[in-house]
Amino acid sequence: AQSVTQLGSHVSVSEGALVLLRCNYSSSVPPYLFWYVQYPNQGLQLLLKYTSAATLVKGINGFEAEFKKSETSFHLTKPSAHMSDAAEYFCAVSGDTDKLIFGTGTRLQVFP
Amino acid sequence: GAVVSQHPSWVICKSGTSVKIECRSLDFQATTMFWYRQFPKQSLMLMATSNEGSKATYEQGVEKDKFLINHASLTLSTLTVTSAHPEDSSFYICSARATHSNQPQHFGDGTRLSIL
Repeated sequence: AQSVTQLGSHVSVSEGALVLLRCNYSSSVPPYLFWYVQYPNQGLQLLLKYTSAATLVKGINGFEAEFKKSETSFHLTKPSAHMSDAAEYFCAVSGDTDKLIFGTGTRLQVFP
Repeated sequence: GAVVSQHPSWVICKSGTSVKIECRSLDFQATTMFWYRQFPKQSLMLMATSNEGSKATYEQGVEKDKFLINHASLTLSTLTVTSAHPEDSSFYICSARATHSNQPQHFGDGTRLSIL
């Protein structure tokens, strides 16, 4: 079975500051891990995915995430926040089933 | 690539009406499609998983007679909310995935359903 915990339902940063969104997972099998972004009244857009290749995964819009097995973490980062990054971010895991298990989401606010 | 189109984007209808939502994969063949429901400011709740040509697998607590899912081709799945009531009002999102489970799910833009 798999589960995902996203620490912090809200994160606020200033424009240009580092973005760090935390995700910890639990999985009984090697996991596949994903980060998705959701803008208001829209579906989810894939930012990046980890599928057991490189542990540092680069995604779209300048985001990246690092898979750390020892810490069971897959935190999402971006060196410099932009106003357009304000959205809801979901971490998700899949593994021994077809299903994606989502975290509860983190709302990112970016202040000028 | 990997575009999923969901239609309609917004539906308002009277209680007792049945509503059909379509989910299409435009540039890939989706062997598996998923239907989610999302309540305001909450995460996505998986309702059912459908594989082309077979019956959908519903999650516990989801009424299969209320939420009819058809996955008749590798590019189209439909969700029909039968005899909809105000408590069925929600944001419904579909996703589609090609082949293996390590491939990401690609999501439609969702359908906002409001039952009066």
